[in-house]
Amino acid sequence: KAGVTQTPRYLIKTRGQQVTLSCSPISGHRSVSWYQQTPGQGLQFLFEYFSETQRNKGNFPGRFSGRQFSNSRSEMNVSTLELGDSALYLCASSLVASGTDTQYFGPGTRLTVL
Amino acid sequence: AQSVSQHNHHVILSEAASLELGCNYSYGGTVNLFWYVQYPGQHLQLLLKYFSGDPLVKGIKGFEAEFIKSKFSFNLRKPSVQWSDTAEYFCAASGSARQLTFGSGTQLTVLP
Repeated sequence: KAGVTQTPRYLIKTRGQQVTLSCSPISGHRSVSWYQQTPGQGLQFLFEYFSETQRNKGNFPGRFSGRQFSNSRSEMNVSTLELGDSALYLCASSLVASGTDTQYFGPGTRLTVL
Repeated sequence: AQSVSQHNHHVILSEAASLELGCNYSYGGTVNLFWYVQYPGQHLQLLLKYFSGDPLVKGIKGFEAEFIKSKFSFNLRKPSVQWSDTAEYFCAASGSARQLTFGSGTQLTVLP
């Protein structure tokens, strides 16, 4: 079974631009979560989607948004990029939206903001 | 507020040495606990998880962890490490909500 895939793997943008990242969950998984990983802040939760609905949102500004499609694929968007948005963005999928369900992580998208 | 603490930022061991990585959590209500590993150039992988029941859980690659409720701890152990265990290890917790709260990670370097 294929794992979680994320595209693109690397992105370079400039301040003020916007970016869209994509995540395809493991086949059959309906829950998708997004995390930001930086050297200074570590791994931080962005948001979670289940059945096309945002279930939880982390403490990030409104410039960070996301959505989930009927096939469970998810996208996240960051508008008006800032230098501090440079990070590895990780997507994780799980079968259902239960606290005991294992989240499987993708390889991430490395975003560099110049 | 929910939090997970890993006090060891970088651990260096020789092959065959025993490993124990500390993890403490602060969570209200039911807590689910996880250890993830990130090998160089690879994505996060689940080592083991604890939801309920036997507080000693066994994971992949010979790792185990013990949940001690009175100490709010979930330490990771391995009796004999190998060079291939060199990686970053993350402790994480979740409650009734799905989101994982991660510790800051521990970089383990195993010297051959």
